[in-house]
Amino acid sequence: DQQVKQNSPSLSVQEGRISILNCDYTNSMFDYFLWYKKYPAEGPTFLISISSIKDKNEDGRFTVFLNKSAKHLSLHIVPSQPGDSAVYFCAATTYNQGGKLIFGQGTELSVKP
Amino acid sequence: NAGVTQTPKFRVLKTGQSMTLLCAQDMNHEYMYWYRQDPGMGLRLIHYSVGEGTTAKGEVPDGYNVSRLKKQNFLLGLESAAPSQTSVYFCASSYSAVTGGNTEAFFGQGTRLTVV
Repeated sequence: DQQVKQNSPSLSVQEGRISILNCDYTNSMFDYFLWYKKYPAEGPTFLISISSIKDKNEDGRFTVFLNKSAKHLSLHIVPSQPGDSAVYFCAATTYNQGGKLIFGQGTELSVKP
Repeated sequence: NAGVTQTPKFRVLKTGQSMTLLCAQDMNHEYMYWYRQDPGMGLRLIHYSVGEGTTAKGEVPDGYNVSRLKKQNFLLGLESAAPSQTSVYFCASSYSAVTGGNTEAFFGQGTRLTVV
């Protein structure tokens, strides 16, 4: 049973526009969420995170929004750049099990010039 | 500045063979993890360790064993490889539990394993 779901396998966006990647989770015990970015033939790299006590966290062009009642989070990239083209994974964990990151299936973002 | 290093990067095994994947980190991290990535499945946690001498099961532990004899190393063993274990394996490490600032998990570049 997939506890973290990314229902869009791929997303294509024009350079300069906003990219919105979505993630849903089913386990209400999750209280910490992360986004990772992965280029081909490389390991995932950390992008941004959010605690369940917040509903928004911003870092430069990247903003993560958390809607706990809907068990939904999203990653906004503004403006999108060709170098953002990669696979994006959302992940979730609980504070008392911080070692166990549960990942979604990933969304492949393609930013076209 | 090596970070997380996985050995080997590629391997082809015959069904029933055994092998060990080595993960080494030079960041003095307490936590280490093994994940597998399959198409459409994302990354799934196999086993993890919260410190030297400790191991714990993740989401998909069956068919794998692990050991953490030294803090910097985390070994993943396949005793009798099966085609279902064909996957890309990623090791990761973090300073502590991934629930706060500066505790992100750092990943290795992956090991592509094919079992025929």
